[in-house]
Amino acid sequence: GQQLNQSPQSMFIQEGEDVSMNCTSSSIFNTWLWYKQEPGEGPVLLIALYKAGELTSNGRLTAQFGITRKDSFLNISASIPSDVGIYFCAGLDSGTYKYIFGTGTRLKVLA
Amino acid sequence: DGGITQSPKYLFRKEGQNVTLSCEQNLNHDAMYWYRQDPGQGLRLIYYSQIVNDFQKGDIAEGYSVSREKKESFPLTVTSAQKNPTAFYLCASSPWASGPYNEQFFGPGTRLTVL
Repeated sequence: GQQLNQSPQSMFIQEGEDVSMNCTSSSIFNTWLWYKQEPGEGPVLLIALYKAGELTSNGRLTAQFGITRKDSFLNISASIPSDVGIYFCAGLDSGTYKYIFGTGTRLKVLA
Repeated sequence: DGGITQSPKYLFRKEGQNVTLSCEQNLNHDAMYWYRQDPGQGLRLIYYSQIVNDFQKGDIAEGYSVSREKKESFPLTVTSAQKNPTAFYLCASSPWASGPYNEQFFGPGTRLTVL
């Protein structure tokens, strides 16, 4: 099945640093979602985006819906150890109502 | 307390046995989904349902079956025909026709181990 290109695949950063990751698609989406998953748990929805160019924040997290509708970005400011996990993007195929997921970015924060 | 429940959290079965994973949601969502996640991998769609009594195959439906007799329930059966059933199974739901916002929420997952 289709998967979105998500980069980077993994990141090792120092506590306090900012983090950026992105997701690109060959298809246009009308909805972009960002999730965080911790080991052995289900993904937790962080941010939902519904409009091209939209910029939405959730605490230290900020996500943007790309103007072309084919990409999205997630930034985490001032990282802390509990930010550790795998971050997934997802786009909604409004034709089939299937969510297409990115390959994930594994984030590790060094205290 | 609204959400999605999956039970059990851990499940062990002998090879050749069918097993049914439970998924219940009280979010009044129309659409429900089943995904499979293997270690270090992303999410792969098994089946999804947009409305009661209707469902569609996802990318890896072979060896699995589902039913959607009630809006709040979407059980997944892993049959003996599934070659590599050991995995982490995630259930999800989204509003679809019942609202303009297409957020998808996940349950806590069931880890199935076939011995």
